[in-house]
Amino acid sequence: KAGVTQTPRYLIKTRGQQVTLSCSPISGHRSVSWYQQTPGQGLQFLFEYFSETQRNKGNFPGRFSGRQFSNSRSEMNVSTLELGDSALYLCASSLSPGVSSYEQYFGPGTRLTVT
Amino acid sequence: GQQLNQSPQSMFIQEGEDVSMNCTSSSIFNTWLWYKQDPGEGPVLLIALYKAGELTSNGRLTAQFGITRKDSFLNISASIPSDVGIYFCAGQLPLSGTYKYIFGTGTRLKVLA
Repeated sequence: KAGVTQTPRYLIKTRGQQVTLSCSPISGHRSVSWYQQTPGQGLQFLFEYFSETQRNKGNFPGRFSGRQFSNSRSEMNVSTLELGDSALYLCASSLSPGVSSYEQYFGPGTRLTVT
Repeated sequence: GQQLNQSPQSMFIQEGEDVSMNCTSSSIFNTWLWYKQDPGEGPVLLIALYKAGELTSNGRLTAQFGITRKDSFLNISASIPSDVGIYFCAGQLPLSGTYKYIFGTGTRLKVLA
């Protein structure tokens, strides 16, 4: 079974631009979560989607947004990029809330550099 | 943001030695996950724990869900060079039907051959 895929793997943007990152979960997984990883702050929860609905959101500004499609694929968007948005963005997929397993499986991440 | 207290932050050990690391919090968690991350890659799930007191093994790795539900431990026996990496714990907050996890700050493991 294929794992979580994320595209692109690497991205360089300039301040003020916007960016869209994509995540395809493991086949059969319907929940997708996004995390930001930086050396200073570690892994921080961004948001979680299930059935095209955002179920939880972390403490990030409104410039960070996401969505999930009917095939469970998810995208996250960051508008008006700032230097501090440089990070590894990780997507994690899981089965469905309410089932006995709460395991999350991560993709390889998208390395975003803002200059 | 919220984070778990994970210790030690880093450790150098000799090949063949056993390793222990732990995560603690003032909050109660429903689930604990342990991950290993190699440079430039996403975290890989090692062990999942679902009940207080649960002890689970995966090869040379053993993890335990603390009785108080506020902590968890990971042990690696007979370490080998490929154990090098960063180990993270993740606790699931007791919110119904959610996958929101809080992550530890990581333990960087270096194994000396």
